[in-house]
Amino acid sequence: LAKTTQPISMDSYEGQEVNITCSHNNIATNDYITWYQQFPSQGPRFIIQGYKTKVTNEVASLFIPADRKSSTLSLPRVSLSDTAVYYCLVGRLDTGRRALTFGSGTRLQVQP
Amino acid sequence: DAMVIQNPRYQVTQFGKPVTLSCSQTLNHNVMYWYQQKSSQAPKLLFHYYDKDFNNEADTPDNFQSRRPNTSFCFLDIRSPGLGDAAMYLCATSRGVGQQNTEAFFGQGTRLTVV
Repeated sequence: LAKTTQPISMDSYEGQEVNITCSHNNIATNDYITWYQQFPSQGPRFIIQGYKTKVTNEVASLFIPADRKSSTLSLPRVSLSDTAVYYCLVGRLDTGRRALTFGSGTRLQVQP
Repeated sequence: DAMVIQNPRYQVTQFGKPVTLSCSQTLNHNVMYWYQQKSSQAPKLLFHYYDKDFNNEADTPDNFQSRRPNTSFCFLDIRSPGLGDAAMYLCATSRGVGQQNTEAFFGQGTRLTVV
């Protein structure tokens, strides 16, 4: 399983764009990149998933460069409710052994 | 409507007394996971089932066991809980191989206290 490295914490203000980068230098050809959000005392929640280039949904964008050794989660115009821990996961989705292993995560604090 | 349901939300057990945590899903997903999450730490995968195929993580203590009697239900058994097993236990599900939308859906968790 590819190991991931993220900043431990980040601070932002309401209305700003936040970019959280994850390094995964030993990502394998068949690995996908997935991001989850977790609020205190709740289970993680899926945000976005991608394989290469750019993926966008209603809450975030995911940028993956050509070498796929890193990825950046972009949260547009954050609000106080985006204060949470964000996890980057890397793994295969095409096998029966679907280990879903979390890295240390990035604690995002959004200030008014 | 909740799709991954964990019961109970809070569980207090005595040191050394076996305890079982429950998880059910209404999504008909192939894969079910159990995680342990301690305060200010990331969720740690204990094991997962792909249908009836059990996959144990190498560093999961023998004290932790799991059962999946059918697609909908999965149980976590802690045979002799120690003080170090106090944590939030999270259950999650995901679709199987070759299917679209492979994100995992998590339950609200069971917070276990060992006294």
